[in-house]
Amino acid sequence: QSVLTQPPSVSAAPGQKVTISCSGSSSNIGNNYVSWYQQLPETAPKLLIYDNNKRASRIPDRFSGSKSGTSATLGITGLQTGDEADYYCATWDGNVSFNWVFGGGTKVTVL
Amino acid sequence: DVQLVQSGVEVKKPGESLKISCKGSGYSFSSYFIAWVRQKPGKALEWVGIIYPGDSDTRYSPSFQGQVTISADKSINTAYLQWSSLKASDTAMYYCARRDYSGGWFLRDWGQGTLVTVSS
Repeated sequence: QSVLTQPPSVSAAPGQKVTISCSGSSSNIGNNYVSWYQQLPETAPKLLIYDNNKRASRIPDRFSGSKSGTSATLGITGLQTGDEADYYCATWDGNVSFNWVFGGGTKVTVL
Repeated sequence: DVQLVQSGVEVKKPGESLKISCKGSGYSFSSYFIAWVRQKPGKALEWVGIIYPGDSDTRYSPSFQGQVTISADKSINTAYLQWSSLKASDTAMYYCARRDYSGGWFLRDWGQGTLVTVSS
């Protein structure tokens, strides 16, 4: 059971928008920056978003991040078949010494 | 360009020891933390621990403390993850990643992963 809760899956048609939630607590998301990672099938994860809403290098503006209170959200607009992947949120958890935590991951399916 | 190149696939028996590596290039290796992340088949990413190659300051996730050892040799820009006695439950893909900092910490660059299979 991950400390950060994500929906197992979301789906939408090409060109549509999806949002992925990441729910935590005051010990993690509530007091720390969130980053998001994309893992295409059979590949290593890749940084998408850091500091809640900053896009990493060469990440298109179809991807966006936001944070409010103890939750964070990743948005993907203009969905493409190449966006089919697992997406993970991550942040620091201050409840335990030096502990970085990941969400359980969300599978995005393009219908 | 920053690159993290990990060692190859490993197939081991329970009880054997193992040391996998992660070689960094294209940046000042000593100046950035290297993290290790585990991913069991079909499962989510899990934080293993982290090391600062500059002074070998090392911290572990509570879940992995005492189960693995993280080390680094800054003279050859390489970080390591090792086991003294493998278990079948250690079967997983292991990634190294370079930690960076802006407002907060994040994992900017990732290695390609090392698949470890432990089976009798």
